[in-house]
Amino acid sequence: GESVGLHLPTLSVQEGDNSIINCAYSNSASDYFIWYKQESGKGPQFIIDIRSNMDKRQGQRVTVLLNKTVKHLSLQIAATQPGDSAVYFCAEKPYGGNTGKLIFGQGTTLQVKP
Amino acid sequence: GAGVSQSPSNKVTEKGKDVELRCDPISGHTALYWYRQRLGQGLEFLIYFQGNSAPDKSGLPSDRFSAERTGGSVSTLTIQRTQQEDSAVYLCASSWDRGNQPQHFGDGTRLSIL
Repeated sequence: GESVGLHLPTLSVQEGDNSIINCAYSNSASDYFIWYKQESGKGPQFIIDIRSNMDKRQGQRVTVLLNKTVKHLSLQIAATQPGDSAVYFCAEKPYGGNTGKLIFGQGTTLQVKP
Repeated sequence: GAGVSQSPSNKVTEKGKDVELRCDPISGHTALYWYRQRLGQGLEFLIYFQGNSAPDKSGLPSDRFSAERTGGSVSTLTIQRTQQEDSAVYLCASSWDRGNQPQHFGDGTRLSIL
C-alpha cells in the first residue's frame, strides 16, 4: 500500500553541524513532495517542496534532494541551530485523482546539542 | 487573518458526546483539508474540500465523522458519539488549489475523550 517512511526516528546533531534527514516513499506515481517542521503544540510549518521533474531544490539553509530511481527524499539543513530542534515530516502527493491529499511519514525528531 | 485559524485549541469531552471543530482558512484559498494526528505519529488525511464540495472523503474513519464547508471559507468537522480512540489532534490546512503547492496548517484542536 501507499506509505512514506523515515529511516531514523531520532537524529541528534551538534550545533553548527549539517543535518540530513532521510525519507523513503513507495508510490512511484507521486508528483510532488514536501517537508514540514513541527514544534511541540504547533501545526506543521512548511519548509520546502519539490516537484517530481526536479532532483534538487535549495532554500535558505535547506536543500531537498529527490532520487526517483530509488524513491528517496532527503532534507539537508546547513549549520544546524538550536531553533531547528523539532519533528520533521516528509509528505508526498500522489498524482491524479480529484484530490490534493498528502501522505505523511511518521516523522524524525531532530535534537540539536549546544 | 494571516494564517489558518482553528478553534477551540483544546476540547475535553465525555465519551458519547458530539463535538464540532472549526477551521478558518487563509483568505482566498479554495482548497481545504482536514487531517488527524495521533500522539507521536504522522498526519492521517481525513477529507478534502474544493470550494464547498468534498471530492475526496476517503479518509473519514467512520460515519460518525462528517464535515462541511460553507461560503467557500469556514469549515466544521463534526464527530458524533465520540469514542476514546477519537482522541487526537485535528489539523486543518488550506492551499490555493489542489495542485502542486504547499498546504498551510493551523495549530490544530487537541481533542481528549474521557
